[in-house]
Amino acid sequence: RKEVEQDPGPFNVPEGATVAFNCTYSNSASQSFFWYRQDCRKEPKLLMSVYSSGNEDGRFTAQLNRASQYISLLIRDSKLSDSATYLCAVTRSNTGNQFYFGTGTSLTVIP
Amino acid sequence: NAGVTQTPKFRVLKTGQSMTLLCAQDMNHEYMYWYRQDPGMGLRLIHYSVGEGTTAKGEVPDGYNVSRLKKQNFLLGLESAAPSQTSVYFCASSYSLAGASTDTQYFGPGTRLTVL
Repeated sequence: RKEVEQDPGPFNVPEGATVAFNCTYSNSASQSFFWYRQDCRKEPKLLMSVYSSGNEDGRFTAQLNRASQYISLLIRDSKLSDSATYLCAVTRSNTGNQFYFGTGTSLTVIP
Repeated sequence: NAGVTQTPKFRVLKTGQSMTLLCAQDMNHEYMYWYRQDPGMGLRLIHYSVGEGTTAKGEVPDGYNVSRLKKQNFLLGLESAAPSQTSVYFCASSYSLAGASTDTQYFGPGTRLTVL
């Protein structure tokens, strides 16, 4: 079983829509959680860390559900500039500082 | 700060040729990583280093070697390139141990390698 799994999409949504992505992780020892954004032919860049209590950054909200072992990312009022691939990543306490990445979810925001 | 830089940006090799990819970071990070990214496979860890002079294998280490002679540099070598090593290679670095939720990895711009 993969360490981290994501729905690859693609998600095609109109401007202004709300879209949510989920990411499941298989190891209960997973400790830190992140969402990255990757634009076409560019490197991944940190979008936000995911805290146990959930956290919000403008139009973006990240949630962690340890019981069900998933993290989520909610994007409200989608903009054209939100079009990208969104990667989730987790670390485990027993593997040093290795990050385990999902394969990414593709989002296209349509005018 | 330049952050994480990678050299070269693009390269085409013939099967059997060798090459070295260079990663440099100016953030004084202890940890450095090499990933490859292929369609449908996501980012896969090749090798990583937890400090100067140390290296460790990741998920897909076969066919690659690495060295971390200086804290700021992490080199990835392909001794005898194969078409299966055609990929985009990303280097990353991070500062602290896992468990620090504010920590993250910072990526270089990538190297696009084609092996014919």
